[in-house]
Amino acid sequence: SQQGEEDPQALSIQEGENATMNCSYKTSINNLQWYRQNSGRGLVHLILIRSNEREKHSGRLRVTLDTSKKSSSLLITASRAADTASYFCAPGGYSGAGSYQLTFGKGTKLSVIP
Amino acid sequence: DTAVSQTPKYLVTQMGNDKSIKCEQNLGHDTMYWYKQDSKKFLKIMFSYNNKELIINETVPNRFSPKSPDKAHLNLHINSLELGDSAVYFCASSPGGNVAKNIQYFGAGTRLSVL
Repeated sequence: SQQGEEDPQALSIQEGENATMNCSYKTSINNLQWYRQNSGRGLVHLILIRSNEREKHSGRLRVTLDTSKKSSSLLITASRAADTASYFCAPGGYSGAGSYQLTFGKGTKLSVIP
Repeated sequence: DTAVSQTPKYLVTQMGNDKSIKCEQNLGHDTMYWYKQDSKKFLKIMFSYNNKELIINETVPNRFSPKSPDKAHLNLHINSLELGDSAVYFCASSPGGNVAKNIQYFGAGTRLSVL
């Protein structure tokens, strides 16, 4: 399926350390997006990487995409307590019915300890 | 101003009842969605509308009926509520069109508890 599967399911690090989350998917995509969800809130878009891109940066975020391995990673550098949240990857592509959609997984729960 | 707003934020009801959740977006987007997030945080798409027209209808019981009176609103009506319907329901919107820019904006969610 197009659904992204994040790994690990949970990650706990000290403030200042880097956090790396991985995502795998199974079908072809047009792009892949990462979202963050704070506890009890809606998802917030972080970054979008197109299928013809290999790496993208946004502030402390670095996303890589390897379409040959159908995988992506999200790196958060110099983590802060405020980065504590769940992170979801969402492969984007066309469904069997021909409509574009994102497919989310269960996310990686990141805890940054002050 | 809230970009995607959904009401109510919490909904507690008895099995068998009928309830509605409302969603409105003021972003001028063409496409709106409903997602269900279960207790394991798995976020699954239910429906998508583009300019009031249904474009995605995943395998969802027909007790769930979306209604889009205009492209800024997408409401979700649920008949004969069951215990398994307990979850957090999220509304989202996106510009549509160019898939390279198709970022989704989410509401804060409606936590539905069926007793």
